[in-house]
Amino acid sequence: GENVEQHPSTLSVQEGDSAVIKCTYSDSASNYFPWYKQELGKRPQLIIDIRSNVGEKKDQRIAVTLNKTAKHFSLHITETQPEDSAVYFCAASKRSGAGSYQLTFGKGTKLSVIP
Amino acid sequence: DAGVTQSPTHLIKTRGQQVTLRCSPKSGHDTVSWYQQALGQGPQFIFQYYEEEERQRGNFPDRFSGHQFPNYSSELNVNALLLGDSALYLCASSQGQNQPQHFGDGTRLSIL
Repeated sequence: GENVEQHPSTLSVQEGDSAVIKCTYSDSASNYFPWYKQELGKRPQLIIDIRSNVGEKKDQRIAVTLNKTAKHFSLHITETQPEDSAVYFCAASKRSGAGSYQLTFGKGTKLSVIP
Repeated sequence: DAGVTQSPTHLIKTRGQQVTLRCSPKSGHDTVSWYQQALGQGPQFIFQYYEEEERQRGNFPDRFSGHQFPNYSSELNVNALLLGDSALYLCASSQGQNQPQHFGDGTRLSIL
């Protein structure tokens, strides 16, 4: 099955600095890569996603890059703010032989933005 | 427009009991996926329902079963509960099988 590795497990940055979280996946058949933000005690919230036919996607201060050859993708947050503090999860989705899909998550990165 | 709703919010059971968790998908969504999230871990895929059938299953035993109804809502059933089943159970819905998934607030299940 698919295996998603996420690094680092914890990340502290000063307010205004950039944060980068990296993920690798094992199955080259994976074709959809979402990122979720989960604040303490709350639901995971989809913040950005990318498909395998695109190399980069940006939404305001958040961007995701995908390198299919190396099988890794990264989340970039610029001009970080204290409200960006949360646990971030990457995930990869691949189609199974039965024609359905399974989303596999990384173990998460706890981001702390220091005011 | 209501998002994904789950019930109950919290549940306490004892070992060996059975539990049913419920999920109503976001309006317009027809696919429901269930996940188990242990403390400090990422969500682990249990299974996905589409067109009232289980389409894909993760690495979970047969004690975990589910159902999807014609209105797209879904249930997760767990039999013969073990202490290790204590976790947050998340439901996510999407408009199609490989589309963005939106999560509910989850059901916190505690096994004593």
